[in-house]
Amino acid sequence: DIQMTQSPSSLSASGGDRVTITCRASQSIGRYLNWYQQKLEKAPKLLIYAASNLQSGVPSRFSGSGSGTEFTLTISSLQPEDFATYYCQQSYSTPRTFGQGTKLEIK
Amino acid sequence: QVQLQESGPGLVKPSGTLSLTCAVSGDSISVNKWWSWVRQPPGKGLEWIGEIYYTGDTNYNPSLKSRVTMSVDTSKNQFSLRLNSVTAADTAVYYCARLLVAPAILFDYWGQGSPVTVSS
Repeated sequence: DIQMTQSPSSLSASGGDRVTITCRASQSIGRYLNWYQQKLEKAPKLLIYAASNLQSGVPSRFSGSGSGTEFTLTISSLQPEDFATYYCQQSYSTPRTFGQGTKLEIK
Repeated sequence: QVQLQESGPGLVKPSGTLSLTCAVSGDSISVNKWWSWVRQPPGKGLEWIGEIYYTGDTNYNPSLKSRVTMSVDTSKNQFSLRLNSVTAADTAVYYCARLLVAPAILFDYWGQGSPVTVSS
C-alpha cells in the first residue's frame, strides 16, 4: 500500500493568512494526487485533482502543486469558511489511500 | 445534479453483517464510472473500502477483502455494501462516492454519510 503522510496534523491560522499543507507519498505517484476538504460531520468535498487542477466551483484561493512524492495545498488568503480538515488522497493505485488529515483551526 | 444517498441500519450487533445501499440520482450507474465506499471511524481519518463497476467488477481494500462484498443493481440505479463479522472497530460513518477515472481518477460526488455503530 502507498502511505500518505500529511504535515502538519493541525494548524492554527488567522483570516487572511496564507497557509500551506504538505502531503508526502511513500513512493512516486506521478501527479495522481487529490485534495479534499471536510467540515464537521459533512462529506468530503473535492478541491484539487491531479495535483494542481482546481475542481469546478472551488475558489481560486486554493491551489495545489507537486509531483512524485511531495505535494502541497496552498490557501492564499484564509476565509472563515476554510476552517476545516484537509485530506490528500492518492489515485495512483489501489488500495486508494488518504493522508491522516490536517485540521485547520482559527487562531 | 448528481446525488448519492446511503441507507441502512444504524446499529449492528458484533459478529453480524453490516448492509448499506447507496441510491444514485442524476446519473446512470451504468455509464463508465466506478462507485465506491469510504468509511470514517469517530474522530479518525478516511479509509477506502472498495469500489464496483456496473458490470460487477470490484476492487477491495486488502485489509477488508475477506469480509466485504459489493454489488450493483442497475435496474434500481443503486449499489450496495455488505461487511460481515463486524466488530466495534467497524463503527464508523460510511460514505458512498462516485469515482471518475477519466480524465483523472477522483471522488467527485459523495453521499451525506450513514453512521453505523457496532454494539450489542
